[in-house]
Parts: sequence; structure tokens; C-alpha cells
Amino acid sequence: EAGVAQSPRYKIIEKRQSVAFWCNPISGHATLYWYQQILGQGPKLLIQFQNNGVVDDSQLPKDRFSAERLKGVDSTLKIQPAKLEDSAVYLCASSVTTGTYSYEQYFGPGTRLTVT
Amino acid sequence: SQQGEEDPQALSIQEGENATMNCSYKTSINNLQWYRQNSGRGLVHLILIRSNEREKHSGRLRVTLDTSKKSSSLLITASRAADTASYFCATLIKAAGNKLTFGGGTRVLVKP
Repeated sequence: EAGVAQSPRYKIIEKRQSVAFWCNPISGHATLYWYQQILGQGPKLLIQFQNNGVVDDSQLPKDRFSAERLKGVDSTLKIQPAKLEDSAVYLCASSVTTGTYSYEQYFGPGTRLTVT
Repeated sequence: SQQGEEDPQALSIQEGENATMNCSYKTSINNLQWYRQNSGRGLVHLILIRSNEREKHSGRLRVTLDTSKKSSSLLITASRAADTASYFCATLIKAAGNKLTFGGGTRVLVKP
């Protein structure tokens, strides 16, 4: 079974530039998550989709971050404009959801973003 | 503040020893999950324990859950160098839309 795919793996940009990350979840997983993980900390949920609808985006800085999941499969996360404090690893995860219950999450390798 | 807090923040042991780490949380949960993260394999799910379970085993891993104390522990027996990683507990609350909230992690170093 193929895992969660993410690209790019690494990205270096200057502050105020824009960047986009792509995620392809495990086939059949209805729920998709984007996390931000700052060095030395645990992952923090940015946004959660179920199919192509947003379930939770309460911690997404909406003035600069946006995400979409067209057709309920692939997803993109965009930052525009980037700030120095956005330097982090951006993780995508997916899970099976049955009714209102979500099971364990499967994570992609992440994209390491450095903002200079 | 985070829902899950791991203790200790870092742990160094010799190969063959057991490693124990703890997780405390603040609000009622539906399940608690443990994940491992190392540079080679990213973040990997280890074990899930539901709120009505008290103990669960998976290979060399043993997880306990005490909902009255809002705490969980992860025991790794007979540790190996390959167990060197960061270990995170994460709590899931259905009422919060199945949101998984991670703690800050315990960094484990297993010395050969």
C-alpha cells in the first residue's frame, strides 16, 4: 500500500515570498490533515478536511495560510506571504473515518520549509 | 497550553534497558495514541488505546491509561539502538471533531 506522498521535501524561500505544498493521501482515506511542526515541538494541527469539506481550521493563520482539497483527494497548502516564524516541517496525514470516528493517522515524510 | 504533556522531555538509556515515558492530559478523551518520529521514517503510529481500555501491548511496547488521573505511560522493553527517536502522545476528542492534539514529545537516546 502506498503511503502519504508529499512534495517538495525541502524548500528555502525569502520572507514575503509565497510557497505551496502538495499532499496525496492514502487511497480511500476520507480525512486529511495538515500539521506544522516547529523544531523541538510536537505537530500542531493547521487544518482538517473530511472529503473536500473543512472540519477544523481554527489554528490556521488565515491571513497568510490557505488550503484546499479539490475532489476530496489531493490537497495543497499555501503560505503567502511567508514570515521567518513559518520555518518548520509541514506534515500531511490521512486517516480512515467511519461515521464520526477517525482511526490512527498515517503521516507523509513532510516538507521542511526554511524562510530566510 | 498543550493537551498532552510528556515526561521526561529527554531520556538516555543503554541498549537492553527498559524506557518509560509518561503523558498527562487535561480534558476527557476518546482515545490516546502514541507516535514515534525519527529522521529516517518520519512520524509513525505505534499504538492506540481507547478510553475504556486500561492496558495494551504491541510487541515490546506496553501502554497504560488511567482516565481518573488523566495520564498514560509508554514502556519500551529491551530497548535497541533503533528505538532512538522522539515519542509523542496524542489525544483524540470526538467532540472536537476528532481533532488529534500532540504533546511536546520525549526524546529517547538508546546507547549501544
